[in-house]
Amino acid sequence: QVHLVQSGAEVKKPGASVRVSCKASGYTFTAYYIHWVRLAPGQRLEWLGFINPISGGIKYSQHFQGRVTMTTDTSLRTAYMELSRLTSDDTALYYCARPAVENDILTAYDVWGQGTQVTVSS
Amino acid sequence: SYVLTQPPSVSVAPGQTATITCGGNDIQTQSVHWYQLRPGQAPVLVVYHDSDRPSGIPERFSGSNSANTATLTISRVEAGDEADYYCQVWDIVSDHAVVFGGGTKLTVL
Repeated sequence: QVHLVQSGAEVKKPGASVRVSCKASGYTFTAYYIHWVRLAPGQRLEWLGFINPISGGIKYSQHFQGRVTMTTDTSLRTAYMELSRLTSDDTALYYCARPAVENDILTAYDVWGQGTQVTVSS
Repeated sequence: SYVLTQPPSVSVAPGQTATITCGGNDIQTQSVHWYQLRPGQAPVLVVYHDSDRPSGIPERFSGSNSANTATLTISRVEAGDEADYYCQVWDIVSDHAVVFGGGTKLTVL
């Protein structure tokens, strides 16, 4: 069965960085892009970007450009998302998600991680 | 950047039909996906490519897309359908980025 399992909740101070992990199982990790999406309180779902695990190709949302870094470790079948210079506006539930079709960035997400709560507070 | 507009809330009685819209400029040229999001749970894909349904999603969920509005229709609404619903497209014209609608809270009366 296909799963994405994310790391646990984080509490960070303003100005700090946070790294969230997303471990894949049940499918060929290198065949599917990994996307990152967040849901902040009272806000809409917001896309952060994606990474191609085999090539390392990346596309970041313009809104997060310069603050977000996405990486993968194919030996661990794990994707990582690091967000720096955190503010209270970054308090949100962060998800990793997998598109339904191999090597396709345009399809819907049919597999999601359980979400990682990131709280930014002084 | 491309903007998707959804009504903040929709309310229906059990057994009735819920219609959730997603407005966007010439959205008919886009492929629209819909997700169900319950508090504390991961989003679930309920409709993709405008009107296709993933395996395991009841036939009560259907979608359409025409002109400037995509629509998610839930027939014979059940209490368990109460959730937030989001539409999503890939903006290939301007930002080359994923765009979500603002979400619609479906309340089952």
